[in-house]
Amino acid sequence: DQQVKQNSPSLSVQEGRISILNCDYTNSMFDYFLWYKKYPAEGPTFLISISSIKDKNEDGRFTVFLNKSAKHLSLHIVPSQPGDSAVYFCAASFNDYKLSFGAGTTVTVRA
Amino acid sequence: NAGVTQTPKFRILKIGQSMTLQCTQDMNHNYMYWYRQDPGMGLKLIYYSVGAGITDKGEVPNGYNVSRSTTEDFPLRLELAAPSQTSVYFCAGTGMGTGELFFGEGSRLTVL
Repeated sequence: DQQVKQNSPSLSVQEGRISILNCDYTNSMFDYFLWYKKYPAEGPTFLISISSIKDKNEDGRFTVFLNKSAKHLSLHIVPSQPGDSAVYFCAASFNDYKLSFGAGTTVTVRA
Repeated sequence: NAGVTQTPKFRILKIGQSMTLQCTQDMNHNYMYWYRQDPGMGLKLIYYSVGAGITDKGEVPNGYNVSRSTTEDFPLRLELAAPSQTSVYFCAGTGMGTGELFFGEGSRLTVL
């Protein structure tokens, strides 16, 4: 049972424009949400996170938005750069340090 | 610091063979995890450990075993390999319980 869903397998965006990645979850007990970035032949690396007590967290070009009523979060990348081309995983946990991951969205930034 | 190191990076097994994927970390992580990633799927938790001597099952533990005799090492044992265990395996660790994991580079296993 997939508790974290990323319904868009891929996203193509022009360099300099905004990338918006979406993630939905079903478990209302989740209280911490994270985004990971993964390049080919490498392990995922932590990108940004948000606690359920917030609705927005920003770190440089990356902003994560959380809508708890809709059980939805999104990652905005502005402006998108060629080095942002990667697979992005959404993940969630609830107070037990075990993450549930989405299937990932492959982002391609076009020059 | 080397971080989280996994060996081997690639391995081909025959059905019924056994092997151990090694994972070692030098970041003093209390929490360690083994995930597998299948094409088009997210990472699925196989086993995890909250400290030396303590392990527990994740979502997909069948066919695997782990041990945690030291803080640094968290090997994953595959007994009687099956084609369904063809996957990329990631070891990860963290010193915090927040989910900000540090991953190894992965081990690609093929069972034929």
